[in-house]
Amino acid sequence: EVQLVESGGGLIQPGGSLRLSCAASGLTVNSNYMNWVRQAPGKGLEWVSVIYSGGSTYYADSVKGRFTISRDNSKNTVFLQMNSLRTDDTAVYYCARDPYCSSTTCSFFDYWGQGTLVTVSS
Amino acid sequence: DIQMTQSPSSLSASVGDRVTITCRASQSISSYLNWYQQKPGKAPKLLIHGASNLQSGVPSIFSGSGSGTDFTLTISSLQPEDLATYYCQQTYSTPLTFGGGTKVEIK
Repeated sequence: EVQLVESGGGLIQPGGSLRLSCAASGLTVNSNYMNWVRQAPGKGLEWVSVIYSGGSTYYADSVKGRFTISRDNSKNTVFLQMNSLRTDDTAVYYCARDPYCSSTTCSFFDYWGQGTLVTVSS
Repeated sequence: DIQMTQSPSSLSASVGDRVTITCRASQSISSYLNWYQQKPGKAPKLLIHGASNLQSGVPSIFSGSGSGTDFTLTISSLQPEDLATYYCQQTYSTPLTFGGGTKVEIK
């Protein structure tokens, strides 16, 4: 059974940093295309970032230069390092698996974690 | 970036009704279109991938169609448990983008 478990959320002041973790079981993160998706309170879904099986990374313009996605293969865990946090980064952050991406296209998100809440407020 | 526009943003229908949600892409995305269902307080769940392929374990009352720029999600006979918000998503190019969502309520 595949499980994705996010952790690391919490209350942080504007300008601060936070690192989210997504621990996977039942799949190997470095053989998949692992994504972060966020959802601000009462709002829709926003894709944040993806790390390809080969290590390439891509970001939404809204987080480029501030967020970094990475993984630790030995821990089978994906991370999202979030720096220079702003109030509009407040959201539930989900980890999601895509089984395949080419150089230009991806497929679908078939496994999701339960999410971790990040609140950016003074 | 590819913009995804869903309509309507909300709808109210009776149990047994046929419900249709549309999604339009700002440029052609071939069949790289997925549909998700999100119930309150829960993570999204994949319903349809590749515009028309039913995800394993999803009831056959859900179906998808379309290609290019115009897509449709149909619930053939609305059930009480279908109360949720439905999102389309394009995976044709990064940034991957979602539609704004359609909230389905039961009359």
